[in-house]
Amino acid sequence: GQQVQQSPASLVLQEGENAELQCNFSTSLNSMQWFYQRPGGSLVSLFYNPSGTKHSGRLTSTTVIKERRSSLHISSSQTTDSGTYLCALESSNNRIFFGDGTQLVVKP
Amino acid sequence: ETAVFQTPNYHVTQVGNEVSFNCKQTLGHDTMYWYKQDSKKLLKIMFSYNNKQLIVNETVPRRFSPQSSDKAHLNLRIKSVEPEDSAVYLCASSPQDTQYFGPGTRLLVL
Repeated sequence: GQQVQQSPASLVLQEGENAELQCNFSTSLNSMQWFYQRPGGSLVSLFYNPSGTKHSGRLTSTTVIKERRSSLHISSSQTTDSGTYLCALESSNNRIFFGDGTQLVVKP
Repeated sequence: ETAVFQTPNYHVTQVGNEVSFNCKQTLGHDTMYWYKQDSKKLLKIMFSYNNKQLIVNETVPRRFSPQSSDKAHLNLRIKSVEPEDSAVYLCASSPQDTQYFGPGTRLLVL
């Protein structure tokens, strides 16, 4: 079965709205990482967050190991936030599993 | 500025040909990875190398093989490409935690 379930699959926002992206995992966690990919672009690491909450500008990542989930919160979205957001889990036996991604579109 | 370099950017070839993709990282990381990203943006790990030792080898077809001369280089060779190999191939490196990705090589198999 799938080790990482990411939701939603797609999301459309009006500029200024907030977004909450989720990843739920079913295997033991060593680390959780969030990536951003602009259409046609390479992957950019947003957060390395094995547990707890981290902030970076308008982005916040929270990983709760006991609840087997990690979230990415985008506040005051901008059109330049449009793209694909991916979570990746590294399990305790050093295997890496990616979520299927969230396609985000922010409209002006 | 990216510190993980991949060549070529694009490659178009025919079924049965051999291709080789290069990856170099200048970050001094110990671990490098190859991923395949399909048309639906799904990422699958293919190989992982740590100090030239293969530590993770997902169930990829035997026509794929990683090649490393030192810890800064990890190339990917596909011996006889097939249509389903059309995808973006991403190289990444990691010290121990965060992964840093290259721009990718887009392969189209005709």
